[in-house]
Amino acid sequence: DARVTQTPRHKVTEMGQEVTMRCQPILGHNTVFWYRQTMMQGLELLAYFRNRAPLDDSGMPKDRFSAEMPDATLATLKIQPSEPRDSAVYFCASGPVTETQYFGPGTRLLVL
Amino acid sequence: DQQVKQNSPSLSVQEGRISILNCDYTNSMFDYFLWYKKYPAEGPTFLISISSIKDKNEDGRFTVFLNKSAKHLSLHIVPSQPGDSAVYFCAAHGSSNTGKLIFGQGTTLQVKP
Repeated sequence: DARVTQTPRHKVTEMGQEVTMRCQPILGHNTVFWYRQTMMQGLELLAYFRNRAPLDDSGMPKDRFSAEMPDATLATLKIQPSEPRDSAVYFCASGPVTETQYFGPGTRLLVL
Repeated sequence: DQQVKQNSPSLSVQEGRISILNCDYTNSMFDYFLWYKKYPAEGPTFLISISSIKDKNEDGRFTVFLNKSAKHLSLHIVPSQPGDSAVYFCAAHGSSNTGKLIFGQGTTLQVKP
């Protein structure tokens, strides 16, 4: 049963620290998405890759967030420096086509 | 600008009855709609979808209805079961954008035994 995996599942850090979240998409999926879930905004799309190339990162604060896919088995989302307002659950999703996306379990981030 | 809206934050129904979750959208270019279900501490899981060329899609206890003229879709669960208690997100896909899904805010469904 193929699944999207995310690490870490939980992260507590102090303001100003760098945070790196990792995602392993389902093998064979060529689209990868990063979402952020907050109480106020629901599920916000942060970045989107197809065949490892970034297609849309308009939802991401560029000054502090960066998303990369060093290879087909790894996607990363970095926040540097982190701020308390970044506290949220971050989901990675992958899919064979853009209509159906399969989500990972999420990384719950708390920035103090 | 919320292009996909779920105006009911929560819904409570009795086991065995019908659950109806609603979703409205504003962009007539959306061509595909999906419903996701999310349990606490887990990621959303795909539930059911519908293309804009259809008005109904059924899968077991779950049926999605699409009313394009009203820009409205709904998810019917019948009969509802306690295990259906979760947050339900509707999402829309537009062929004119980069392929991303636009999600609603979510509706928390509670099915009481």
